[in-house]
Amino acid sequence: QVQLQESGPGLVKPSETLSLTCTVSGGSISTYYWSWIRQPPGKRLEWLGYIFHSGSVKYNPSVKSRVTITVDKSNNRVSLRLNSVTAADTAVYYCARGQSGWLDSWGQGTLVSVSS
Amino acid sequence: DVQMTQSPSSLSASVGDRVTITCQASQDIRNYLNWYQVKPGKAPKLLIFGASNLETGVPSRFRGSGSGTHFTFTISTLQPEDFAFYYCQQYEDLPLTFGPGTKVDL
Repeated sequence: QVQLQESGPGLVKPSETLSLTCTVSGGSISTYYWSWIRQPPGKRLEWLGYIFHSGSVKYNPSVKSRVTITVDKSNNRVSLRLNSVTAADTAVYYCARGQSGWLDSWGQGTLVSVSS
Repeated sequence: DVQMTQSPSSLSASVGDRVTITCQASQDIRNYLNWYQVKPGKAPKLLIFGASNLETGVPSRFRGSGSGTHFTFTISTLQPEDFAFYYCQQYEDLPLTFGPGTKVDL
């Protein structure tokens, strides 16, 4: 059974870059697409974007100018970079595996706070 | 973007109760609608995909229905482990968007 684990700094300073890694175990990173989703405190889930195993990406226009998602097939990892962060980027960040429109496996999420 | 709404935003129920949550889309999304269960500190769980298809391993007390703009999610007999947040999500168009969630508590 595939497992996903997010990792990265829990605290980022305003205007800096948030970087997270999702390590996929128990399954191949190929064939599927891989999404990043976040949930700010008290708000709904927000899809940030996804990447196919081929490297093709789609981003949410709300963050498109600041976000980069990459895949490292040799190490079964998917990465998220979000630059120029503000307090509004404070959230629990999840990675998830997707197929045909639904997200069938998720990591447990990692809280990232933006504060000086 | 396709806007998703849910009702109620929260509900109180007891073990054994039947629980119903509705989700509405701002435009026709056919049957491109999923339901997730989210518990604090745990990985969210896909329950229903394609409006009415039960994900493998999910108990049959969970049921989804609807198409177009109006969808319903039902837990037929609430179990202790079902107290959680539930979210609908559309995939008819990008960006993928979620409903605001429904908290089911005791």
